[in-house]
Amino acid sequence: AQSVTQLGSHVSVSEGALVLLRCNYSSSVPPYLFWYVQYPNQGLQLLLKYTSAATLVKGINGFEAEFKKSETSFHLTKPSAHMSDAAEYFCAVSGDMDSSYKLIFGSGTRLLVRP
Amino acid sequence: DAGITQSPRYKITETGRQVTLMCHQTWSHSYMFWYRQDLGHGLRLIYYSAAADITDKGEVSDGYVVSRSKTENFPLTLESATRSQTSVYFCASNDRGGRYFGPGTRLTVT
Repeated sequence: AQSVTQLGSHVSVSEGALVLLRCNYSSSVPPYLFWYVQYPNQGLQLLLKYTSAATLVKGINGFEAEFKKSETSFHLTKPSAHMSDAAEYFCAVSGDMDSSYKLIFGSGTRLLVRP
Repeated sequence: DAGITQSPRYKITETGRQVTLMCHQTWSHSYMFWYRQDLGHGLRLIYYSAAADITDKGEVSDGYVVSRSKTENFPLTLESATRSQTSVYFCASNDRGGRYFGPGTRLTVT
């Protein structure tokens, strides 16, 4: 069984500051991990995914995430926040890369960017 | 345009009415999904479909019906709408690259 925990329902940073959104997972099989972003009044958009090829995954909009098996974490980072990064971010885990329905989402973290 | 579309984008209906939300994807993905998103509950899976004519329930399927006669379409029907079904509904499809979401339908049941 898989589960995802996102620490912090809201994260606030200043423009230009480091963004760190935390995600911890639980999985009985090697996991596939995803980060999605949701802008207001829009659907979820895939930011990046981990599929066991490389532990450091680079995504769109300057975001990246590092898979750390020992810590069961997949935290999302961006070196310098931009106002346009304000959105809700969802971490998700799956037990396989087939088109299974078993994609488990975290509860989301809303990122606020202060000018 | 390629992608996944939903219609209508906004809908207001009355309690007890039947309402159908439409979903269309142009990629020919086998798997399609319906989710609802509510404050405090995140995304919850309503129904999914592995292929045309193959559907299965998710975690919150009561009060909803789906059909999938064609690969590209996956309509969701609320048979008798209730206020608790006021929500934002997202359709999605899947390939090995990930799950792709439509823009959502905001449904209000009065």
